[in-house]
Amino acid sequence: QSALTQPPSASGSPGQSITISCTGTSSDIGGYDYVSWYQQHPGRAPKLIIYEVTKRPSGVPDRFSGSKSGTTASLTVSGLQAEDESDYYCSSYAGSNNLIFGGGTKLTVL
Amino acid sequence: QVQLVQSGAEVRKPGASVKVSCKASGYTFTNYFIHWVRQAPGQGLEWMGKINPSGGSASATHTEKIQGRVTMTRDTSTFTVYMELSSLISEDTAVYYCARGRGGPRGLHYLDFWGQGTPVTVSS
Repeated sequence: QSALTQPPSASGSPGQSITISCTGTSSDIGGYDYVSWYQQHPGRAPKLIIYEVTKRPSGVPDRFSGSKSGTTASLTVSGLQAEDESDYYCSSYAGSNNLIFGGGTKLTVL
Repeated sequence: QVQLVQSGAEVRKPGASVKVSCKASGYTFTNYFIHWVRQAPGQGLEWMGKINPSGGSASATHTEKIQGRVTMTRDTSTFTVYMELSSLISEDTAVYYCARGRGGPRGLHYLDFWGQGTPVTVSS
């Protein structure tokens, strides 16, 4: 199956809010509430920041939130901070024992 | 604390194989699936497959460029899982990550802890 679709880049000023979209199909995002989001700083391993669409792991600031409508999931970062500048990847269970990732979005804090 | 520690960087020639290890600690090894994800230079994440450390059963992606070339195994005595990729081509040059799977009967809902990554370079 094809990768989930994310915008290649996004940007915002400190204190602003930004939303990154992740579009799939009825076979992945639209079929299951198993969307997760990962933050990856350069040269580092990905870090889980949202799971099962809306849940945050312990230690992840509540500035990060997730949602889903139909076949599109979204990650919102509120009150942008400099350290939020990173790559963000969405992922979804895709049925038939498969996981699928998005192409990634580079977030720039202006 | 949960840790996944991977083996070091590897360089291989086209056509060769590479085997990457991932040693788990800080949790009950056999209770969680381990997944493998790779990232080519400047590219996104690509799911490769998963293994159940309890019974050793593994399933890999059906992606044509990987299918049939990846083998995942585990050693319960050392809490280590292995991913071997054969018939290497230059496009297999990537950082390979292991990650612990959570949710559902096969740990396919999300990946909560990741290894540090193992760079693999395929070059003649």
